Amino acid sequence: GQNIDQPTEMTATEGAIVQINCTYQTSGFNGLFWYQQHAGEAPTFLSYNVLDGLEEKGRFSSFLSRSKGYSYLLLKELQMKDSASYLCAVRFMFSGGYNKLIFGAGTRLAVHP
Amino acid sequence: NAGVTQTPKFQVLKTGQSMTLQCAQDMNHEYMSWYRQDPGMGLRLIHYSVGAGITDQGEVPNGYNVSRSTTEDFPLRLLSAAPSQTSVYFCASSPDRDLRKLFFGSGTQLSVL
Repeated sequence: GQNIDQPTEMTATEGAIVQINCTYQTSGFNGLFWYQQHAGEAPTFLSYNVLDGLEEKGRFSSFLSRSKGYSYLLLKELQMKDSASYLCAVRFMFSGGYNKLIFGAGTRLAVHP
Repeated sequence: NAGVTQTPKFQVLKTGQSMTLQCAQDMNHEYMSWYRQDPGMGLRLIHYSVGAGITDQGEVPNGYNVSRSTTEDFPLRLLSAAPSQTSVYFCASSPDRDLRKLFFGSGTQLSVL
């Protein structure tokens, strides 16, 4: 299978930095994504990594190590509106050349004043 | 610009009833997919399509049928609803098969009694 593991819940303080980790099985790996989902809403795209290293986009950064099957999402200068679930998703290529995007269970982040 | 439109937003069914969840996108996207989201399990891929006339199974296809007769529409059919199909359903589309960015509909909350 394509097990994708991330912590269930995290808490952090407004203005702080938080790192959300994601590990996955490397067989068939073809890219890693992070999505944000506020309660009762649809997920929205945050970031995409296909090569090793850090991708920075404003307050959010995402890191990938393909050899270790590991990624993290780094959120800086936390704001109350960052309270949401953060979904790690891995793109796998299957027979026939088609890609599938498989999601982890998500990490629910609560930001406190 | 409507994006991805899902109907209905809420639905209650009795066990054994059939229904179709509708999904339409107006972005001329090649790729469309259906996910279900259950507490603690994240988003799970039901079926996906890489173009009109082409569909394939995801992680949890049993009990669901799909077809893709046009680029715009990708309906999900429940032939005989079961309580285990109580979930939130999301339709998502992507401009290409690389899935670099999924655009999600607003979701359908389905309860099967």
